[in-house]
Amino acid sequence: GESVGLHLPTLSVQEGDNSIINCAYSNSASDYFIWYKQESGKGPQFIIDIRSNMDKRQGQRVTVLLNKTVKHLSLQIAATQPGDSAVYFCAEKGGGFKTIFGAGTRLFVKA
Amino acid sequence: GAGVSQSPSNKVTEKGKDVELRCDPISGHTALYWYRQSLGQGLEFLIYFQGNSAPDKSGLPSDRFSAERTGGSVSTLTIQRTQQEDSAVYLCASSLSAGSSGNTIYFGEGSWLTVV
Repeated sequence: GESVGLHLPTLSVQEGDNSIINCAYSNSASDYFIWYKQESGKGPQFIIDIRSNMDKRQGQRVTVLLNKTVKHLSLQIAATQPGDSAVYFCAEKGGGFKTIFGAGTRLFVKA
Repeated sequence: GAGVSQSPSNKVTEKGKDVELRCDPISGHTALYWYRQSLGQGLEFLIYFQGNSAPDKSGLPSDRFSAERTGGSVSTLTIQRTQQEDSAVYLCASSLSAGSSGNTIYFGEGSWLTVV
C-alpha cells in the first residue's frame, strides 16, 4: 500500500516564537492542500486549507503559504503556545478521491 | 453523528486471531476512508469508499485485510490472522464526497490495535 512511513522530523521552538513547518508535495496536478494537527493519542484535526489558485491564506494564528513553482507548502504558527505541540501533516488532493499525506513534522514547544 | 466515531478505541489481540474495527462516519458524508498509522509514523492509505461505487482497495497491504461498508454508512475493517506488524492505529475518515478537490476529510480518534 501507499506508505508515508518515515521517522518524523522534529521542530523545537520557544513558547511565544513563531513556528514554520515545511512540506514538499509530490503531484504538480494537486489543486487542494490541507494542514492537519495530530495530538498524542488523537486523530488528525483539520487546521487550514488552501486551493492552488491562492498563494497565501490566513486563519487564527496560522498562515499557509503555497509555492506551486517548487511544489512547497508551509504552515506558519504565530506566537507558538505549549498547546501547539503536536505532529503536523500536510496533505494534497488532485481532483481524485485520494488525499495523500506527507510524513509529518513533530513540533515541540518549550516553555 | 457530530464526528467520525470509531470502535473499539483500543484492542489487544493474540497473534493469529481476527479483529473487526468499526467506523461510523459523519452523517451525510458519502466518502469514507481507512488509514493506518504505525507508531511515530505517517498515514498510510488503506481503502476508500464513495457512495455505491466499488471501493478502491489499492492500499490494503495483504489479502488478510478487507473492509465493507453497509448501507452507505457504517464501515467495518477486518484483519484476519493478525500479525504483530499489524499493530498500529487504524484511522477512519469521511468527507462530503470525493468528486471535488475541496472536500476536506475529517478523522475519527482511531482504533489502537496491539497484536501480542
